[in-house]
Amino acid sequence: NAGVTQTPKFQVLKTGQSMTLQCAQDMNHNSMYWYRQDPGMGLRLIYYSASEGTTDKGEVPNGYNVSRLNKREFSLRLESAAPSQTSVYFCASSALRELFFGEGSRLTVL
Amino acid sequence: GDSVTQMEGPVTLSEEAFLTINCTYTATGYPSLFWYVQYPGEGLQLLLKATKADDKGSNKGFEATYRKETTSFHLEKGSVQVSDSAVYFCALILIAGGTSYGKLTFGQGTILTVHP
Repeated sequence: NAGVTQTPKFQVLKTGQSMTLQCAQDMNHNSMYWYRQDPGMGLRLIYYSASEGTTDKGEVPNGYNVSRLNKREFSLRLESAAPSQTSVYFCASSALRELFFGEGSRLTVL
Repeated sequence: GDSVTQMEGPVTLSEEAFLTINCTYTATGYPSLFWYVQYPGEGLQLLLKATKADDKGSNKGFEATYRKETTSFHLEKGSVQVSDSAVYFCALILIAGGTSYGKLTFGQGTILTVHP
């Protein structure tokens, strides 16, 4: 089973460039999430989508946009990347109280 | 707001030692509690969970008991192995208003290294 699939796994950007992180899940879950992981800070929620057609801000949404393309796919876009956005990004989907995570996308902004 | 506090790491143990990683939480309602594990280069995997007070979650020799009176969910294992070396995250989730989704709040993570 694929579960939650994220692409790309690694990306290096220059300040000001844009990029989109893609996420797809094959578990027919309604809810999907984007987190970022930084050393010593655990995971922090960027945006989430409770169901197809809805998106909401999480704890750290500034500098990001999201699109819930359909029930399977939830993308995260950085319009103008900044060094502070260097992080590991995780997509997740949920069934009731349990979250299932992708393997992560490591983004470096120079 | 809701928060999760884990013991400071990193934790370094010898194989077969006893492990405790402390976790306490603050929440406005009655959360479900989780321990997630992240092995090097991988995403997070659910290790165990407990959904109500006094529940004990267990998996792969790890255990944690949901203690409402002390707002704690400490992770324990009686005899660790080298393969347990990973980052461990305590987390809580509150279901909003009866809906079927929620947002996880994570602790900062504890790095565990087990030596042979």
